Amino acid sequence: SQQGEEDPQALSIQEGENATMNCSYKTSINNLQWYRQNSGRGLVHLILIRSNEREKHSGRLRVTLDTSKKSSSLLITASRAADTASYFCATDVSGTYKYIFGTGTRLKVLA
Amino acid sequence: DARVTQTPRHKVTEMGQEVTMRCQPILGHNTVFWYRQTMMQGLELLAYFRNRAPLDDSGMPKDRFSAEMPDATLATLKIQPSEPRDSAVYFCASGSGTSGDTQYFGPGTRLTVL
Repeated sequence: SQQGEEDPQALSIQEGENATMNCSYKTSINNLQWYRQNSGRGLVHLILIRSNEREKHSGRLRVTLDTSKKSSSLLITASRAADTASYFCATDVSGTYKYIFGTGTRLKVLA
Repeated sequence: DARVTQTPRHKVTEMGQEVTMRCQPILGHNTVFWYRQTMMQGLELLAYFRNRAPLDDSGMPKDRFSAEMPDATLATLKIQPSEPRDSAVYFCASGSGTSGDTQYFGPGTRLTVL
């Protein structure tokens, strides 16, 4: 399947530290998105990066994309306890409107 | 504040019973997606619609699952008969149907089949 895989599966850090999570995918994409899911809630869109972009910022979020390696990373700087959640990458499926979601990284930020 | 709504939020039923989950997409959105989330399988796409027409339901067990959009404000997912392995959280999401579309997720229906 085209499902992306995220690494690490789980990450525990102290408040104020940076958190980096990685996503690898299998086929060519037009764009890649990152979503956050708080426990017991639906997913919330964070940021989109297109295949012709290498880096994108939004507030404390920094996303990179390396299409040659079929990988992306999400960096959360100066993490807060409220950042505790699962983070998913989602890759588009060419010619369709659908996205395939990765396995997710569970981030825990300790106060 | 536009959001996707789903009902019921929780459902406990016995094996063999019919289950119907409902979703109201954001007004004006023309793509609707149904996902299932479990610890083992993660987030799986079951089916999706564009302009109320089903475009892909390849992720759905055809013998027991069915998805429909009776109108632009309602999407339904039915399971008949339900089985314990159907226990999961079912999410509906909607989007505006453009390239690089953001999907807006509902809160989910947590289904437990005993």
